[in-house]
Amino acid sequence: QKEVEQNSGPLSVPEGAIASLNCTYSDRGSQSFFWYRQYSGKSPELIMFIYSNGDKEDGRFTAQLNKASQYVSLLIRDSQPSDSATYLCAVRDYSSASKIIFGSGTRLSIRP
Amino acid sequence: DTAVSQTPKYLVTQMGNDKSIKCEQNLGHDTMYWYKQDSKKFLKIMFSYNNKELIINETVPNRFSPKSPDKAHLNLHINSLELGDSAVYFCASSQVRDRDEQYFGPGTRLTVT
Repeated sequence: QKEVEQNSGPLSVPEGAIASLNCTYSDRGSQSFFWYRQYSGKSPELIMFIYSNGDKEDGRFTAQLNKASQYVSLLIRDSQPSDSATYLCAVRDYSSASKIIFGSGTRLSIRP
Repeated sequence: DTAVSQTPKYLVTQMGNDKSIKCEQNLGHDTMYWYKQDSKKFLKIMFSYNNKELIINETVPNRFSPKSPDKAHLNLHINSLELGDSAVYFCASSQVRDRDEQYFGPGTRLTVT
């Protein structure tokens, strides 16, 4: 059973600081990785995807991928209270009709 | 101009009943999904249809039966509801099966009493 693991949190970060969210995955052959944000009572929305080792930046968000160590992380710079949400790490399983396997999410709280 | 819509938003019902949840997308996408999110926020795929064809059928009890009348609609019928079926059910769609972004509907919170 392929798995995606995340620390459930909550992770509390002061406003303006960098929030760092981590995720590990079990399938060494995985190639596509995603970060979804889910506000309480709302649906998940994609905020980042990454395919290659290294960093990918989009505004205040940076996704980092290390395939050798099988981890993917999300950095949020200049954290804002509006960043408070649950962040879901996800991995595409190409061996199984390209389904996406989600982690259980990390709850992030930005304190003013 | 909602992209992915679901009805109803809330569903409270008793054990043993049969209920349906409807999903529609107006994005012109080929692939649609049903996910279940339990109380611990774990989001797990149940079914996926590509152009009305079932392509993913996870180990879901056969009390759950999806139906796709056309590629814009994917409904979920649940027979003989059980307490453990209580969860939020999300419909999602993507342009093609391997495309990266999935657009989620607002969710249906099902409570079985």
